[in-house]
Amino acid sequence: ETGVTQTPRHLVMGMTNKKSLKCEQHLGHNAMYWYKQSAKKPLELMFVYNFKEQTENNSVPSRFSPECPNSSHLFLHLHTLQPEDSALYLCASSQDRDGANVLTFGAGSRLTVL
Amino acid sequence: GQNIDQPTEMTATEGAIVQINCTYQTSGFNGLFWYQQHAGEAPTFLSYNVLDGLEEKGRFSSFLSRSKGYSYLLLKELQMKDSASYLCAFMDSNYQLIWGAGTKLIIKP
Repeated sequence: ETGVTQTPRHLVMGMTNKKSLKCEQHLGHNAMYWYKQSAKKPLELMFVYNFKEQTENNSVPSRFSPECPNSSHLFLHLHTLQPEDSALYLCASSQDRDGANVLTFGAGSRLTVL
Repeated sequence: GQNIDQPTEMTATEGAIVQINCTYQTSGFNGLFWYQQHAGEAPTFLSYNVLDGLEEKGRFSSFLSRSKGYSYLLLKELQMKDSASYLCAFMDSNYQLIWGAGTKLIIKP
């Protein structure tokens, strides 16, 4: 399979649940990203991994915990979320973090927190 | 500071031409991107401009004026499948992408 694949596509969770989002890319890219997309707002960069090392954490609350076990896989672990965390979570990858690289996005995981 | 602005929503007619504008302010600039996002789908890359001028790719063209902090995406011969959100983003001096909130384009028959 090519491109960036995200699972699950939809997730409903309570505020006390623990769940994880998964992202996988087979493009040979070395940088992977988590973005949050809320209606009528700009994409918010959450985390960046470059060659498996976390290079950016944009003041994201600790209830979001990223994990990058290898350059093809990225996880976002979720626990004790708030209703305002309901959004579309997009994963993306690029050749690497430096330079004007094109991002390839997954279709996103639509998260609803009750 | 840095900021970027694009219209929230636009409506156009099938077969017509539409221009989506994007204005930005930044002290450091490494190019401007346009992405297309259909509802429920991944954003996909359309264009990248780093030099002034017009770049054409089939029915889509993208223009950049660095001195004016201005870009536009021009869509010709509109088709119903062009109904989507169009995201512009500039890359700053640290290669960070600064995103606009997106323009939802509605195509009517």
